[in-house]
Amino acid sequence: ETGVTQSPTHLIKTRGQQVTLRCSSQSGHNTVSWYQQALGQGPQFIFQYYREEENGRGNFPPRFSGLQFPNYSSELNVNALELDDSALYLCASSWGTATYGYTFGSGTRLTVV
Amino acid sequence: AQSVTQLDSQVPVFEEAPVELRCNYSSSVSVYLFWYVQYPNQGLQLLLKYLSGSTLVKGINGFEAEFNKSQTSFHLRKPSVHISDTAEYFCAASTSGTYKYIFGTGTRLKVLA
Repeated sequence: ETGVTQSPTHLIKTRGQQVTLRCSSQSGHNTVSWYQQALGQGPQFIFQYYREEENGRGNFPPRFSGLQFPNYSSELNVNALELDDSALYLCASSWGTATYGYTFGSGTRLTVV
Repeated sequence: AQSVTQLDSQVPVFEEAPVELRCNYSSSVSVYLFWYVQYPNQGLQLLLKYLSGSTLVKGINGFEAEFNKSQTSFHLRKPSVHISDTAEYFCAASTSGTYKYIFGTGTRLKVLA
């Protein structure tokens, strides 16, 4: 059973640029959620994808968008990067609504300069 | 609104001593509760979860937690800690049918030799 894999592991971008982060969900999971974890904070829910459609969204602006593909992998796109977007971005997969717990990836560390 | 509070940002404890990490939640409806551990530069690993039934929940690595509805708490305990337990611990809550977790701000457990 493979876990959740994320790429890249680290990324440095300039303010105003765009970035795409990728996630492969755990085998057998059909739901992918993305979380942002700022330094010293707990993860904050960005959005969730189920059957290729956004299934819920947290308090993040529209410049945060995502996709889920037929194989349940997912992308997180962030446009017009701001310094405050610097964080660890965690992808988590689950079966359904994650009542029984997510499986998290190791994250992508994004630094915006 | 639902919220999760971890009052202790850091907990130092000597090796082989017991430890308790505190978590309180607020919710007007039934909740599911989780504890996750995060080792440096890694994602989150599920330690244990409370969905329903017995209020004492046992998890991996010798950890356990007790759900107390009257005190709206879900404290994590371990009778004897090891150096390898040094990590960040996050409490999280969700409600039935929802798609997102609300995380606390985390407690850094530092086990001293």
